[in-house]
Amino acid sequence: DVKVTQSSRYLVKRTGEKVFLECVQDMDHENMFWYRQDPGLGLRLIYFSYDVKMKEKGDIPEGYSVSREKKERFSLILESASTNQTSMYLCATAPTSAAGELFFGEGSRLTVL
Amino acid sequence: AQSVTQPDIHITVSEGASLELRCNYSYGATPYLFWYVQSPGQGLQLLLKYFSGDTLVQGIKGFEAEFKRSQSSFNLRKPSVHWSDAAEYFCAVGNNFNKFYFGSGTKLNVKP
Repeated sequence: DVKVTQSSRYLVKRTGEKVFLECVQDMDHENMFWYRQDPGLGLRLIYFSYDVKMKEKGDIPEGYSVSREKKERFSLILESASTNQTSMYLCATAPTSAAGELFFGEGSRLTVL
Repeated sequence: AQSVTQPDIHITVSEGASLELRCNYSYGATPYLFWYVQSPGQGLQLLLKYFSGDTLVQGIKGFEAEFKRSQSSFNLRKPSVHWSDAAEYFCAVGNNFNKFYFGSGTKLNVKP
């Protein structure tokens, strides 16, 4: 089974703090994604990566950056957390194939005070 | 523009009753279609997917969905709901692994 592990299930941070959310997968998938989930808005793509050191902006990249130094690890960084970044963050992976599907981690719920 | 609409935010059904969750999409090409389920505090789990072929697809936990191209719909159904089906359900569309569009979700409550 694909395993996607998000390092922190719950975090509480203060405004202005730097926040790291880490995601590790064990299935050698090329593609990794960070989504943000808010009630009534579904999932919105922040960033994705299709290879090591490669990244592309999703629909809502403002206020976020990412890092992918190793194939299995994809980090989401909030350089200066703000209260409007309080949300559930979901990491997902997908293989490179003609008809891939997303495999999700359990999510990281971030509260910014 | 690509989009996915789930018109029902909340649905309540009695245990044992049938269920249909609606999903409509707007997509330029032939879409790949997915239904995911999310239990409280958890990530999303794939229920079923449609890529091509038979327009009625079977998934896990007794769910099925039917692709209707003429209606741009991919509705999820289950003939008899169990209390453990209470969760949030998301419809998604994509045509490759890099770009998926999700609906806003439908929360299912199950009455005993």
